[in-house]
Amino acid sequence: DAKTTQPPSMDCAEGRAANLPCNHSTISGNEYVYWYRQIHSQGPQYIIHGLKNNETNEMASLIITEDRKSSTLILPHATLRDTAVYYCIVRGTSGSRLTFGEGTQLTVNP
Amino acid sequence: EPEVTQTPSHQVTQMGQEVILRCVPISNHLYFYWYRQILGQKVEFLVSFYNNEISEKSEIFDDQFSVERPDGSNFTLKIRSTKLEDSAMYFCASSSTTESYGYTFGSGTRLTVV
Repeated sequence: DAKTTQPPSMDCAEGRAANLPCNHSTISGNEYVYWYRQIHSQGPQYIIHGLKNNETNEMASLIITEDRKSSTLILPHATLRDTAVYYCIVRGTSGSRLTFGEGTQLTVNP
Repeated sequence: EPEVTQTPSHQVTQMGQEVILRCVPISNHLYFYWYRQILGQKVEFLVSFYNNEISEKSEIFDDQFSVERPDGSNFTLKIRSTKLEDSAMYFCASSSTTESYGYTFGSGTRLTVV
């Protein structure tokens, strides 16, 4: 699975949009981009995933660049409860494991 | 919303003892996983299980570990002879396919080996 690079930490004001970037320049054609988050030692929580089109669900939006080498997770109106470590993971269809990196610690400030 | 349930939430055991961590995956899911997270470190894959057999395991998952789905609803991780370095959060997860909609993780079992 392709390696991902994320900033170690980010801050966001409550109510504002949080934009979390991820680089995955070695992604291959059949690999999906997944985003999970982990709130203080709880189990990781699935947020969203995509292949090449932008995706939106009730939690977030995922913007994938046309060349698929990077993506951005957008939390449109961040709340204090969105404070967590956010993981960007690239995974192919044939493998089963998720490989977690260090992720981005997002802190939402009041 | 369906949940993955793990018990116990916290287990303390003496070094050398056997422990069994239990998980109830989401009922219509077909793939089951164990991950662990040592305090302050990354979440690490241990093993995946499908159709009553291990489909993939990591280098961490050595002979002291085993998994079982004994009764069609529970999914267990057994550590045969615990070591101090096995102290970690252990997360069970399940998914309906290998790629769609992601995994659902349980809230974890904190294992402390003393």
